[in-house]
Amino acid sequence: AQKVTQTQTSISVMEKTTVTMDCVYETQDSSYFLFWYKQTASGEIVFLIRQDSYKKENATVGHYSLNFQKPKSSIGLIITATQIEDSAVYFCAMRGASSGSWQLIFGSGTQLTVMP
Amino acid sequence: GALVYQYPRRTICKSGTSMRMECQAVGFQATSVAWYRQSPQKTFELIALSTVNSAIKYEQNFTQEKFPISHPNLSFSSMTVLNAYLEDRGLYLCGAGDWEYEQYFGPGTRLTVL
Repeated sequence: AQKVTQTQTSISVMEKTTVTMDCVYETQDSSYFLFWYKQTASGEIVFLIRQDSYKKENATVGHYSLNFQKPKSSIGLIITATQIEDSAVYFCAMRGASSGSWQLIFGSGTQLTVMP
Repeated sequence: GALVYQYPRRTICKSGTSMRMECQAVGFQATSVAWYRQSPQKTFELIALSTVNSAIKYEQNFTQEKFPISHPNLSFSSMTVLNAYLEDRGLYLCGAGDWEYEQYFGPGTRLTVL
């Protein structure tokens, strides 16, 4: 069975600093995709960044980057130069790469608060 | 860009009645649509996965008789909650996309049952 675990319930940081959010996963699939989404206060879920399991390079998009440690089944999200508007709940998610494995398995989320 | 719209954003229905929610993809092809329900505690439950021209696959504890889904083309899907009761409350989300890529989510339909 697949499982995604986020142990950090909430994190508070000062504006313009760097924050790392942890995520570990379990899967029997040899190929899989890992995602980070954020959910704003209005409930909107926004796709942030993706890591394909077969890629060794850590994905980077804007001020989001990933720390992919495949042997540890870990995919951490790093946000640099945080802004007030980065305050949200961040979800780690995964799915298998085979056909019929399109649904996402979500973690429980990490509430990020960025303070001025 | 890829956008997903959901209608209505909020709805209130009486216990035992039904309500229909819609999901529309703009700017990309929604080959697959996954319907989720998010609890107040933020946990996600997958209701069903729908792929155009394929059978809809429902997860355990969710049935077609209770949550019928239509996915007639690459931009639209709808789901009805039949005979809604208190336990059906939550934020209903559709995640749409092509199977090779990430899912894009709509803002959700928040269902309140009185």
